[in-house]
Amino acid sequence: SQQGEEDPQALSIQEGENATMNCSYKTSINNLQWYRQNSGRGLVHLILIRSNEREKHSGRLRVTLDTSKKSSSLLITASRAADTASYFCATAPGNAGGTSYGKLTFGQGTILTVHP
Amino acid sequence: GAGVSQSPRYKVAKRGQDVALRCDPISGHVSLFWYQQALGQGPEFLTYFQNEAQLDKSGLPSDRFFAERPEGSVSTLKIQRTQQEDSAVYLCASSLRGGGEQYFGPGTRLTVT
Repeated sequence: SQQGEEDPQALSIQEGENATMNCSYKTSINNLQWYRQNSGRGLVHLILIRSNEREKHSGRLRVTLDTSKKSSSLLITASRAADTASYFCATAPGNAGGTSYGKLTFGQGTILTVHP
Repeated sequence: GAGVSQSPRYKVAKRGQDVALRCDPISGHVSLFWYQQALGQGPEFLTYFQNEAQLDKSGLPSDRFFAERPEGSVSTLKIQRTQQEDSAVYLCASSLRGGGEQYFGPGTRLTVT
């Protein structure tokens, strides 16, 4: 079963605009990860944010995490046509021991289309 | 460097046939995962190996599904007596250790007719 819900399901923007995708989840987590999947290709890891972190940056990507609301957002700035893909959030569960072997539970994804 | 590879990339099976899907993880990666991705959905966890030990198989949908990693490197996912609902993309991922980012292979698209 899917843990997360992603919003919006689809997003269409012009090149140069920013894209924001949101993810909500249900159970406690060790970390939350964002992945990209292009048509016909495998999943590519974008960024990982740990449960004790609130914000993380990587190039044009900015991720926030609010564990009190069990939600995360991914912001892609100055989007490019090559950013067109499906974006998934995935959570690794937390446990009492504070460790996680990393089994991921994925959301249903947001389909991003960036028009040149 | 070499990433995770999977074979075959595409497999068409008649209902009732057995299939075997192979995954070659990144060398030295301790953790190996199998996921199933239906069309238009996110991947769903099937099973997890730490070296050769299968530590979690809670996601395997039925006893027709079996996975192994006998020497702690290559893994095989076997599906016996395939059914139409088994049609999906099967993704393999490896990670250096548990809890970190996972590196995914390109997947095997299984179509059961």
